[in-house]
Amino acid sequence: GESVGLHLPTLSVQEGDNSIINCAYSNSASDYFIWYKQESGKGPQFIIDIRSNMDKRQGQRVTVLLNKTVKHLSLQIAATQPGDSAVYFCAEDSGNTGKLIFGQGTTLQVKP
Amino acid sequence: DAGVIQSPRHEVTEMGQEVTLRCKPISGHNSLFWYRQTMMRGLELLIYFNNNVPIDDSGMPEDRFSAKMPNASFSTLKIQPSEPRDSAVYFCASSLAGGQADGYTFGSGTRLTVV
Repeated sequence: GESVGLHLPTLSVQEGDNSIINCAYSNSASDYFIWYKQESGKGPQFIIDIRSNMDKRQGQRVTVLLNKTVKHLSLQIAATQPGDSAVYFCAEDSGNTGKLIFGQGTTLQVKP
Repeated sequence: DAGVIQSPRHEVTEMGQEVTLRCKPISGHNSLFWYRQTMMRGLELLIYFNNNVPIDDSGMPEDRFSAKMPNASFSTLKIQPSEPRDSAVYFCASSLAGGQADGYTFGSGTRLTVV
């Protein structure tokens, strides 16, 4: 069946290091992907998105890479800060419906 | 902009009681989504509306769940009767247009506990 899954449930990094969070998706028809950040007690917050006609997109300190060949998505955070500690979700939308399917989430822990 | 507003923030109720969760989307947004989040199942889409019309309710667990959107600025999710397994955080999100997740904003959620 269709699913979006995350490889690692928890990622621990040192402050200042770069972080890479990975995500696999199974629906080859998905054409829009989004990364969300969720802090404790809050709703998911949009970080960055990418469409299937691109393989890379950069934001402020974040980069999303899309490899359609192996159906893999990653989020790179440069110079990770304590404020980056949160759960990160990838989500996919197939057919531009706005109906997002979320992965299970990866917890990012930043050590000072 | 106050963002997506949900109420209440927390709800504790006894099994069998009716529960109503409320959501006010961002003004001007025409799509509204209800999600449920649990540790076991993650974030699940329950139902979404476009221009106040329910488009897809395939995620609604069973007949005990119902959702309405009487106007562009208000939606409710009702559970009747509630059961302990309904305990979760319920999120509402709104967007300007379907598929445009940069305008897809979540509320802070309602934490529901059914005892």
